[in-house]
Amino acid sequence: EAQVTQNPRYLITVTGKKLTVTCSQNMNHEYMSWYRQDPGLGLRQIYYSMNVEVTDKGDVPEGYKVSRKEKRNFPLILESPSPNQTSLYFCASSSGTADSYEQYFGPGTRLTVT
Amino acid sequence: GQQLNQSPQSMFIQEGEDVSMNCTSSSIFNTWLWYKQDPGEGPVLLIALYKAGELTSNGRLTAQFGITRKDSFLNISASIPSDVGIYFCAGRRGGSEKLVFGKGTKLTVNP
Repeated sequence: EAQVTQNPRYLITVTGKKLTVTCSQNMNHEYMSWYRQDPGLGLRQIYYSMNVEVTDKGDVPEGYKVSRKEKRNFPLILESPSPNQTSLYFCASSSGTADSYEQYFGPGTRLTVT
Repeated sequence: GQQLNQSPQSMFIQEGEDVSMNCTSSSIFNTWLWYKQDPGEGPVLLIALYKAGELTSNGRLTAQFGITRKDSFLNISASIPSDVGIYFCAGRRGGSEKLVFGKGTKLTVNP
């Protein structure tokens, strides 16, 4: 089944404790992206990757890091989480071909930083 | 970053009624996408539109790519309780993979 998976689905952590949220897709997509979703603010892009070893900042990159060492994986790293990073996070991917810019989303990771 | 203007913000309707929602922008987009999100889940793609004026259906859902390329519309006919959720529009400009999202329309269907 074609899908985007994220782990963990739920995470409660404390301020300053480094964490990684994994994202994997099995559709051989080149483009991958991370979003955060907050009430009243909608979906905001954190980082994106056009291909392996190619990443760039989205609209709200502060406090986050990403890496793209393999095509299928795009982990999101919070080196020193803070309470304002409490949010619902989504990973998404798309093929990036001229006739298909459809992004497919993972199930989400709900992060709480205390 | 820019966001699309999506309206209405919320709708309360009776089962069986038709629903219309739209997204507008001051910028031109090359692609419009419509998603549905259930509580606690990720957005699920409903319809993708690639050409101005295009009208595409997916079951009871019909979406249109506005002729000006600055807007898009989603209609749901004969609503049922499982249509409840938040519907998002997303637009993509030419030369970019980046999607710009609306803030969503929350749909409630009363049985």
